[in-house]
Amino acid sequence: EAAVTQSPRSKVAVTGGKVTLSCHQTNNHDYMYWYRQDTGHGLRLIHYSYVADSTEKGDIPDGYKASRPSQENFSLILELASLSQTAVYFCASSDVANSDYTFGSGTRLLVI
Amino acid sequence: SQWGEENLQALSIQEGEDVTMNCSYKTYTTVVHWYRQDSGRGPALIILIRSNEREKRSGRLRATLDTSSQSSSLSITAAQCEDTAVYFCATDDQGGRALIFGTGTTVSVSP
Repeated sequence: EAAVTQSPRSKVAVTGGKVTLSCHQTNNHDYMYWYRQDTGHGLRLIHYSYVADSTEKGDIPDGYKASRPSQENFSLILELASLSQTAVYFCASSDVANSDYTFGSGTRLLVI
Repeated sequence: SQWGEENLQALSIQEGEDVTMNCSYKTYTTVVHWYRQDSGRGPALIILIRSNEREKRSGRLRATLDTSSQSSSLSITAAQCEDTAVYFCATDDQGGRALIFGTGTTVSVSP
């Protein structure tokens, strides 16, 4: 079954530490995305990628890096985690031509 | 950037009632997505309506799209407790390469 799998499901990180969130898709989609969700803000786009080894900035990229080493994998990297980055992070993949998006179950990140 | 905006952030209704939530968007889009999100889960697409459709139905769900006013609505007929969720509209941005979400409407259905 086609899917988007995120790991870890939850994480506690220390302020100033490095955090890597991982995402794997089996949909054979070209596009992958990272969104963050805060209460009252819906989902906001951080980074996305439409091909391996290339990433694009979304609406709120500051403090985040992304890496797309293969079509199936897309990582979100917080080099210096901050309290304000406490949120739930969602990965998604899409076949944009058909407006077909699939979301993962999310990673709950708590920065202390 | 384009973004969707739901009116009425929270709705509480009883089983059997109908409910409608609205979404307005600021720039042209060819498609409006409606997602539901259950607690602890990722968003799941429930209905997608394109610019050449004024209305789309799926079971008890009905979506409308008015491109002239740049607005869309989602209605649930005869709501059930299992319809309790957060509902989002989303439109295209980044040249149609990503989704931009509204802030969501929390729908709570009680017995």
